[in-house]
Amino acid sequence: SYVVTQPPSVSVAPGQTATITCEGDNLGRKIVHWYQQKPGLAPLLIILYDSDRPSGIPERFSGSSSGNTATLTISGVEAGDEADYCCQVWDGPSDDVVFGGGTKLTVL
Amino acid sequence: QVRLQESGPGLLKSSETLLLSCDVSGYSISSGFCWGWVRQSPGRGLEWIGNIHHSGHTHYKPSLQSRVTLSVDTSINSFSLKLTSVTAADTALYYCVRQEEEQLEVDFWGQGTLVTVSS
Repeated sequence: SYVVTQPPSVSVAPGQTATITCEGDNLGRKIVHWYQQKPGLAPLLIILYDSDRPSGIPERFSGSSSGNTATLTISGVEAGDEADYCCQVWDGPSDDVVFGGGTKLTVL
Repeated sequence: QVRLQESGPGLLKSSETLLLSCDVSGYSISSGFCWGWVRQSPGRGLEWIGNIHHSGHTHYKPSLQSRVTLSVDTSINSFSLKLTSVTAADTALYYCVRQEEEQLEVDFWGQGTLVTVSS
């Protein structure tokens, strides 16, 4: 089965840029979506189709994908951005929806 | 606004069958999209279980396929999950979700319902 891997945690100071990666075999050939999840809440879709933002998501959130890595970038990090971030892909050959293990973003 | 609300038993015993329902408001299931289930446990993160297309066609996670059945009742705008032979490993927060049809991103989530399997 297809596997995507994320770092367990990322820390960044307020105002700086946070980079969260999602790695998988030839991931750049698949479509990646990103979710933000705060404690006690359901996940929220923040990036779809590698780099698109749903309505209402700040421009500070951006995504990219190439090779084996998809990247979520959060510019000008704010305290309210502290959350878990998770990537998701659909693997056609196995017809499986796969989530990464999630990355906890800590704002120092 | 699309809203999804899960319902079902919070506690089961090993080997029993889990039945969860999801009531949808703000959108007619028969109009489109896929309707599915995602669960979350502390040790395993988010895990997709499967979905059912508005046409009735189903997709299941390969590792769960032998135990999962999804169904839809368009007359009451609801869909359901049946998971057989549960074990402690099935203990999780279960979300019902709406997924786009092509790349299956989840654009709406229920609030989640906690299911605990005891031995």
